[in-house]
Amino acid sequence: ILNVEQSPQSLHVQEGDSTNFTCSFPSSNFYALHWYRWETAKSPEALFVMTLNGDEKKKGRISATLNTKEGYSYLYIKGSQPEDSATYLCASPSYNTDKLIFGTGTRLQVFP
Amino acid sequence: EAGVAQSPRYKIIEKRQSVAFWCNPISGHATLYWYQQILGQGPKLLIQFQNNGVVDDSQLPKDRFSAERLKGVDSTLKIQPAKLEDSAVYLCASSLFGIGGGETQYFGPGTRLLVL
Repeated sequence: ILNVEQSPQSLHVQEGDSTNFTCSFPSSNFYALHWYRWETAKSPEALFVMTLNGDEKKKGRISATLNTKEGYSYLYIKGSQPEDSATYLCASPSYNTDKLIFGTGTRLQVFP
Repeated sequence: EAGVAQSPRYKIIEKRQSVAFWCNPISGHATLYWYQQILGQGPKLLIQFQNNGVVDDSQLPKDRFSAERLKGVDSTLKIQPAKLEDSAVYLCASSLFGIGGGETQYFGPGTRLLVL
């Protein structure tokens, strides 16, 4: 069974700080890696879908990298703002399906 | 483009009662998913529909949970009878084709269920 892990579990930073968190997944039979942002009382929002080793994607102040050989992805937030406060989830599909297996998430709180 | 709609947003029931959740996916999306997210855990897939057929329901507790997708559009998820451990957020998602794991899934806001 595919196991997706995220660290840290939670993070508290000051406004303006840059931060990053990690998603680990099995490197064998890799197909894709998804990142979502989930703000309280809102819908989880898709950030990135990454498939290629060495891929780097960017959306505003948020960027992500992918290393499929060693089985990890990093999500970076540059100059964190209070509106970045959310739970960040990563997920990878189970082999040969589109069934996403989610990590437990990293809960980010940005203080003004 | 309208997103995935879910109702109700919140529900509080007592154990052994029944409850139903409704989901309306993005128009034209063939695949619909129901996830259960228990506090402290990641979302877990309960059931996946492709149009109105079931693709995967391996993690659906079939003794108490049931789901249907009417005419390949809206879907309902029912719990009967509810247990304390069913307290969770129930998320509905949809994707255009549902082919392979590289397609974005679009989520609704979820239904927060508390079973007392």
